[in-house]
Amino acid sequence: KAGVTQTPRYLIKTRGQQVTLSCSPISGHRSVSWYQQTPGQGLQFLFEYFSETQRNKGNFPGRFSGRQFSNSRSEMNVSTLELGDSALYLCASSPAGGLVNTEAFFGQGTRLTVV
Amino acid sequence: AQRVTQPEKLLSVFKGAPVELKCNYSYSGSPELFWYVQYSRQRLQLLLRHISRESIKGFTADLNKGETSFHLKKPFAQEEDSAMYYCALNNYGQNFVFGPGTRLSVLP
Repeated sequence: KAGVTQTPRYLIKTRGQQVTLSCSPISGHRSVSWYQQTPGQGLQFLFEYFSETQRNKGNFPGRFSGRQFSNSRSEMNVSTLELGDSALYLCASSPAGGLVNTEAFFGQGTRLTVV
Repeated sequence: AQRVTQPEKLLSVFKGAPVELKCNYSYSGSPELFWYVQYSRQRLQLLLRHISRESIKGFTADLNKGETSFHLKKPFAQEEDSAMYYCALNNYGQNFVFGPGTRLSVLP
């Protein structure tokens, strides 16, 4: 079956702009999580959606937001971009929420560069 | 607060040598721990999980609750093992808390 798909793969934006990233989970997966990966901070959790509801949120400012649609596809939005937002944004999907020991399947990421 | 630490940013070993990637955690509940691996130009993928007690690609990891550790070991490293390794803790099934990662370089 198809893996987690993230679009676009690469983005270049200027400071102050906003950006929307998209993630299509594996078919049947209802939980989608977003992570920011940078050389300095590593992998940091942004938020998790399950059945169209944000269930868990990391320590990121309100400029970072997301949503999930009824088909489980998810979008992440960053407003008023800053240079420090340059990172690889990873999406991960899981079969169902609330189950521990559930493997997360990762997409290849969207590399965002803010200039 | 949940936290995962990996003390080594970079670990270099020669082919055929044993390798151990260290991972320590702090967690208030009963931990569920994983190792994820990211090979060059590939996506992050699961290597193994502690509850399965399995060996994948020759790697094993034992959960030591007393020492709050989940070190990854392999008796004989191969060049194809060179990658970035992340120890991760599952936070009540809602998200993963990742360690900073260790880059393993296996030299010929």
